[in-house]
Formats: sequence, structure tokens, C-alpha cells
Amino acid sequence: EIVLTQSPGTLSLSPGERATLSCRASQSVSSSYLAWYQHKPGQAPRLLIYGASSRATGIPDRFSGSGSGTDFTLTISRLEPEDFAVYFCQQYATSPTWTFGQGTKVGIK
Amino acid sequence: EVQLVESGGGLVQPGGSLRLSCSASRFTFSNYAIHWVRQAPGKGLEFVSAISSNGGSTYYADSVKGRFTISRDNSKNTLYLEMSSLRPEDTAVYYCVKGPFSIAARYFDYWGQGTLVTVSS
Repeated sequence: EIVLTQSPGTLSLSPGERATLSCRASQSVSSSYLAWYQHKPGQAPRLLIYGASSRATGIPDRFSGSGSGTDFTLTISRLEPEDFAVYFCQQYATSPTWTFGQGTKVGIK
Repeated sequence: EVQLVESGGGLVQPGGSLRLSCSASRFTFSNYAIHWVRQAPGKGLEFVSAISSNGGSTYYADSVKGRFTISRDNSKNTLYLEMSSLRPEDTAVYYCVKGPFSIAARYFDYWGQGTLVTVSS
């Protein structure tokens, strides 16, 4: 099983700042089969990025994904008020045994 | 936009059974694989089960294999999860999640809001 470790656990930032979130895999994720999701309390999680760097439909370009192998990054270039949420990564290289990271909470400083 | 609405959650005693439903709308349900993913309190997300678009292929996490059964009724645009021999560790919010293809692979493009299952005496 591929274990995904996200860091930091919590990120405290102000609107307008840049957020950099990390997702590290215990073994290489083939074909960059990694996705990122945003989850706000009481709402359905939302797909942001798939294939490590492809933005999902309707996702603003301030969200970007990068990385390959075992190290992946989600960057939010300038935080908007609606971006404060929990973000989690998911690998689907070994589907149907998908695994998820434990999440990073981006909170208001 | 795609809608997935889960129902059927609640409080059940250990060893009991429960059936979750997921009603889908605003997309052609019969064309896509659908999945169940859960999140226990204070824990990360965990894949539970998946079913291909025509129901011909099903997958289960080891933790639920033999106890949970996934099925779908494409005429009713509805997904089901029959849960039996429930354990306290099955306590979680259960999400119905759509995949982008007919087979159960890849990422998840739409999620429901979830239904809470609590297994406790």
C-alpha cells in the first residue's frame, strides 16, 4: 500500500499570501497518478487537480499542482477568503486500492 | 452540476445492519463507476467499495470485504451499500463519489456531502 504523508498538518496564513502544501508518497506514484481535493466543513469535497498538475473543470488558475515520483506539491498563489479549508491528496496509481493523505488544514492567521 | 445525495445513515448497534443509498442526478448515471469512501472521526479518508458502470465489476477494501455489498440500479440512478456485521470501527461519514470513467479507476470528480454512520451500543 502506498502511504501518503501530507505536511504541514496546519498552515496559518493571511488572505493574499502563497500556500505551499506537500504530499509525500512512501513509494513512487507511477504516471503521476495523484489528485488534490479541497474540503470545507459541511460541504462535499471538490476535485482541484488530477494527474499531479492538471486543473479540474472550473478550478481557478491560482491553484497549481506539481511533482512526480514520491514528492508532490499543491500551490495556491494568492489565498482568497474562500480557500481556507482542508486539502488532501490521493494516489490512484494502484486503483482500485486508492489511498489518501491525512490532510492539511489551511487556516486564517 | 452533478448531484450525489447520500441517505440511510444513523445509529446502529454492533453486529447490526444498515443500507446506504446514493441518489444521483444531472449526469448519465449508467455511464460511470461510482464509489463509497469513508472518513472516521479524526481520521483520514478510506476507500470502501467501488462498482463499474454496468455493475459487472465490484471492489472492496479488505476491512469491509465479506460484510459490505455494493450494488446499483441504473434505472433508478441509485447506488447502494448494504452493510452487515457492523463494528464500532465502521463509524464514519460515508461519501458517495463519482469517477470520470465507466471503470473503477483514476481520481474522483464529484462527491456527495456524506451520511454519518455510528456503530455503538
